[in-house]
Amino acid sequence: DVKVTQSSRYLVKRTGEKVFLECVQDMDHENMFWYRQDPGLGLRLIYFSYDVKMKEKGDIPEGYSVSREKKERFSLILESASTNQTSMYLCASSKRTGGYQPQHFGDGTRLSIL
Amino acid sequence: SQQGEEDPQALSIQEGENATMNCSYKTSINNLQWYRQNSGRGLVHLILIRSNEREKHSGRLRVTLDTSKKSSSLLITASRAADTASYFCATDAGAGNMLTFGGGTRLMVKP
Repeated sequence: DVKVTQSSRYLVKRTGEKVFLECVQDMDHENMFWYRQDPGLGLRLIYFSYDVKMKEKGDIPEGYSVSREKKERFSLILESASTNQTSMYLCASSKRTGGYQPQHFGDGTRLSIL
Repeated sequence: SQQGEEDPQALSIQEGENATMNCSYKTSINNLQWYRQNSGRGLVHLILIRSNEREKHSGRLRVTLDTSKKSSSLLITASRAADTASYFCATDAGAGNMLTFGGGTRLMVKP
């Protein structure tokens, strides 16, 4: 089974802090994704990556950056955390080849910015 | 942008009944996927239907796709209390496996 592991289930940080959310997958997937999930808004794509050192903006990249130095790890960075970034953050991965690939999700990090 | 819209937003049924959730989307797709999310957890992939398929089954799940109406439905038969969760449709337009998710349907199955 694919395992996508997010480093923290719950995280509390202060406004202005630099916040790192880490995600690791163990199935050699090329694609990795970061979403945020808010009530009534579903999942919104922040950033995704097709390969090491590659990144593409999703629908809501403002206030975020990402890093993919190794294939298995995809980090989401909040450069200067703000209260409107309080949310559930979900990481996912998928294989690139063949199309028709499901995404595999971690259990999420519930981030509160005070 | 939110491509898929689920209907209803919330559904409450008794154990043993069938649950039907609908999804509408706006643009052409490569495939459509359904996911389930238990409270406080990540999403789990349930079923994928390709754009050239009209119906697909997996256990108690039945998915239909009507590309002319840009809509899909998920039917869960003989529901169980353990089916209580949120269900999301997601569309894949073929651009590098990027998915666009709808807002989800919250299903409650009462024992």
